[in-house]
Formats: sequence, structure tokens, C-alpha cells
Amino acid sequence: GDSVTQMEGPVTLSEEAFLTINCTYTATGYPSLFWYVQYPGEGLQLLLKATKADDKGSNKGFEATYRKETTSFHLEKGSVQVSDSAVYFCALFNTNAGKSTFGDGTTLTVKP
Amino acid sequence: DTAVSQTPKYLVTQMGNDKSIKCEQNLGHDTMYWYKQDSKKFLKIMFSYNNKELIINETVPNRFSPKSPDKAHLNLHINSLELGDSAVYFCASSQVSTPRAGGDEQYFGPGTRLTVT
Repeated sequence: GDSVTQMEGPVTLSEEAFLTINCTYTATGYPSLFWYVQYPGEGLQLLLKATKADDKGSNKGFEATYRKETTSFHLEKGSVQVSDSAVYFCALFNTNAGKSTFGDGTTLTVKP
Repeated sequence: DTAVSQTPKYLVTQMGNDKSIKCEQNLGHDTMYWYKQDSKKFLKIMFSYNNKELIINETVPNRFSPKSPDKAHLNLHINSLELGDSAVYFCASSQVSTPRAGGDEQYFGPGTRLTVT
């Protein structure tokens, strides 16, 4: 079956540091890939997505590129802020199965 | 204008009781989901409905029964609650795209924190 493996947390960074959260996937066919963010006490919300190989999703300074050759979708941000503290989930949607698979989440804490 | 709403936000109950959580979406989406998030933040899909029909039923005890009266609503009824049912339950919806269009962006509700004592 499909699976998503993301970097274990928690990750603690200082403000303005560079962020990378690794995500790799296993899926049949050509899945769409997503990053969701969950702020404390809230539901998940879409951060960015990419629907085909070499697509780059971007939003709020975050970026991720769909790499089919390495089956990866790593999340990056050049300069994090305290307000970026949240749990980040990598996910895929398998159009053949009509089903989403989520990673285990990575907790990010940014300190001033 | 809440896109996906859930009630109640908090639910505290005793073992053995029966409880329901309600979910409504006003996005006009065809597909709705229930997820369970445990204390370690792991998210597991429980059910998925498309146009009121059950399409995904992951290994979930029979004590959990979803009901979709129309495509804008998906409720979750839980019988004989157990301590291990304590978690945050999220409802979500999406407009499942055709394979060509790709993508299944999901919109999540704010969650219902269930505590079983």
C-alpha cells in the first residue's frame, strides 16, 4: 500500500534559521503531494501542493518540489518565524485508489 | 463563514456511554472524511463518504458508525465508548478531482476532543 515517511521531530530552530523537513513516499501511479500545517488547537490546513513531477508548490515562504526520481517532497523555508511553530504533515493522494495517506507529522518549534 | 464545522468541540464522557459527533460542510464538496488523531499527533483515516456512499472503511471497530444524511453532512456515532477512544476526531471534505486534474485538497474542521473517563 501507499506510505509517507517524514522526518521525525520535534525540530527546534531559532528565528530566521533555514528549515528543511524531509518527506519521502511510496505509491503506485502518479500521486499528488501535499504539505498540511496544524497550528495548536486547530485542524489541518493546506500549506502547498504539487500534482506532477518537477512541480514546485509554494506558499507563505515555504516551498517543496515533487521529485519523482527520489520519490521525495521536502519542505523548505529560508527564514522561519515564531509564528511558523506548528505540526507539519506530508501527504499524498492516490488517484487510482481515491485515497489520501498522511505522514506521522513533524512538530516544529521556533524560538525567538 | 465556516467551511467545515464540527460539534461539539469538546466531549467528556464515561466508559460505556454512546455519543455522536456532527459535521457539516458548506463547500459543495462530494467527499467527506473522518480522521482520528492520537496524543502523538498521528492522523489515521477512519471513513470516507462520496455522495452519501461509504467508499473507505479502514479497520475501525464496529462500535463506530458513520452516517451521511446528505452530502453536506457526515456524523459519527460511537457506541460503548472505551478509554482508547480518547483522541481528537477531525472531519474533512474534498472535491475529488478526476485523475487528469489530480489533487485531493482536503478542508478540515476544527476537531472534536473526546475524553473518555
